[in-house]
This record gives sequence, structure tokens and C-alpha cells, in this order.
Amino acid sequence: NAGVTQTPKFQVLKTGQSMTLQCAQDMNHNSMYWYRQDPGMGLRLIYYSASEGTTDKGEVPNGYNVSRLNKREFSLRLESAAPSQTSVYFCASSEVGGGLVDTQYFGPGTRLTVL
Amino acid sequence: AQSVAQPEDQVNVAEGNPLTVKCTYSVSGNPYLFWYVQYPNRGLQFLLKYITGDNLVKGSYGFEAEFNKSQTSFHLKKPSALVSDSALYFCAVRGLQAGTALIFGKGTTLSVSS
Repeated sequence: NAGVTQTPKFQVLKTGQSMTLQCAQDMNHNSMYWYRQDPGMGLRLIYYSASEGTTDKGEVPNGYNVSRLNKREFSLRLESAAPSQTSVYFCASSEVGGGLVDTQYFGPGTRLTVL
Repeated sequence: AQSVAQPEDQVNVAEGNPLTVKCTYSVSGNPYLFWYVQYPNRGLQFLLKYITGDNLVKGSYGFEAEFNKSQTSFHLKKPSALVSDSALYFCAVRGLQAGTALIFGKGTTLSVSS
């Protein structure tokens, strides 16, 4: 049981390049999330998926797109990377969505630098 | 709007002393509150949560948190700190707008000296 896995662990991009961050969970959770962590700002929600086939914007969605490929996988895409997207990206999942209280489990993170 | 505040950027304690990491919240309705810990270059790990019931919640690694509705606080505590407790701690509240997504405080760095 690996929990939440993320690939890659590190990535360096040039401005304007695109990339996809991958996330998978093996806990059969319904809900999945993408956050970014910046120094002194805590974690901010980019997008989330309450269940397979649905996605919604969070606090900071601009410049990102997501795909809930199936119940296990939730990817985050940067179409044209900008230096402001330099951050650490965390994927998380939780057992129950739709407004019920649950505990989120986090992956190890992807450290992205955009030059 | 839901929000969480962690008023201290850093807390320093000596090993063996009690520790407190502060958190205050602002929510409409009943609060659902969480504490997470992040060790260097690692993801966040769940410590404990408050949903309802006893105001003193016990969690992992000997941590506990006290919910105080009148003071809108949810402070994290441990009776005797360990050097290995040194990490970044986040308080979070469940947000309404984004379903079950969490709204995080900015984090408090705990440093335990030997």
C-alpha cells in the first residue's frame, strides 16, 4: 500500500514549456486534490476532484489544467510554465467527498522550478 | 469566509518541556479542524482532527489539541517535547466553497533544542 504517489519528484522547466505532474492513490479514495506550497503562504488549493469524472477550481487555478483519468489518477498540467509557478506541488486524496468531513492524505510532493 | 491563523512563525522549546503551537479559526457553522506536520522535504502527515465531541483531541506521536469554541482556537500541545518533533506544523479548517478541500494556515516552525 503506497498511499499517494507523485511523479516526478523534481523538475526544472524553461518559461513557456509544458509539463504534466502525475498523481496516483491506491486507497480507493473518491476525492483528490492539487495544492501548491510557497514559503510563508501555507498550502493553496489549485484544483480538486470530488469524484471520478468531476473537477473544480480551487483558490489559484490560473495557468493550470487537471484531468481525473480514473478513480486512482489525477494529473496536473502546466500548458505554458511561468516563473510564478515555481513551487512545491502536493497531491492529496480523501475517502469521502461531497461535503462530508474526512482526512486528506498527501503525496511526497514535486519540486518545480521554472527559469 | 473560512480562515485559519497561526500567529507564530516559529516556536522554540527545550527538549522535555511542554510545547504549544497556536491556531485560531474563523468559520461559519461548526468547525472541522485539523493539524498536519511536515518534515523537511516530505509531504504532510495527518496528526489529529476535531469534528465534534470532547474538546481535547488526542493524535499521533503524543500530540493533542484543545478545541475552545469561545476563543475560536485549536492549539496543538505536547506535554514533553522531543528533538524529533522539530518540523513545520499546519493548522487547517475544512472549507465550504471547495467541498472537502482544506484551508491551511501559513504554518509554524517548531524547533526543539537538546
